[in-house]
Amino acid sequence: EAQVTQNPRYLITVTGKKLTVTCSQNMNHEYMSWYRQDPGLGLRQIYYSMNVEVTDKGDVPEGYKVSRKEKRNFPLILESPSPNQTSLYFCASSYRGTGTHEQYFGPGTRLTVT
Amino acid sequence: GQQVMQIPQYQHVQEGEDFTTYCNSSTTLSNIQWYKQRPGGHPVFLIQLVKSGEVKKQKRLTFQFGEAKKNSSLHITATQTTDVGTYFCAGQEYGNKLVFGAGTILRVKS
Repeated sequence: EAQVTQNPRYLITVTGKKLTVTCSQNMNHEYMSWYRQDPGLGLRQIYYSMNVEVTDKGDVPEGYKVSRKEKRNFPLILESPSPNQTSLYFCASSYRGTGTHEQYFGPGTRLTVT
Repeated sequence: GQQVMQIPQYQHVQEGEDFTTYCNSSTTLSNIQWYKQRPGGHPVFLIQLVKSGEVKKQKRLTFQFGEAKKNSSLHITATQTTDVGTYFCAGQEYGNKLVFGAGTILRVKS
């Protein structure tokens, strides 16, 4: 089954404690992206990756890091989480060729930073 | 940078009434996509529009892409309770960077 998986689904942590949210897709997609969703603000892109070893900042990259060492994985790293990073996070992937660039979203990770 | 504005932010309709959400981009788009997010769920792709003036239908849903490729709309005819959720447009400039609108939350009273 074609899917994007994220772990963990829920996480409560404290300020300053480094954490990683994993994202994996099994569709051989080149493009992967991280979004955060906050009420009234829609989906804001944090980082995206066009392919292995190619990453770029989205609209709200401050406080986040990513890496793309393998095509299927795109982890999101919060080196020193702060309460304003409390949010719902989605990973997404898509094909980059011609045709439809449908984004496949993971189930989401709800992060609370106290 | 590119911005995508979506209105209204929220709409509450009686079951059977129609619903429309509008999307406007600050730049010309290569395509626009629409997604639906059910409460507690993740966004799910509905459709992609590519051509200027394009109109596509999916049962009770009608999607339009403006002639200038800067605006789009989603119209739902005779809403049902299964239509509840948040509808997002997402504009894509050439190069794969998608920019999402803030979404329209639809509630349907039965």
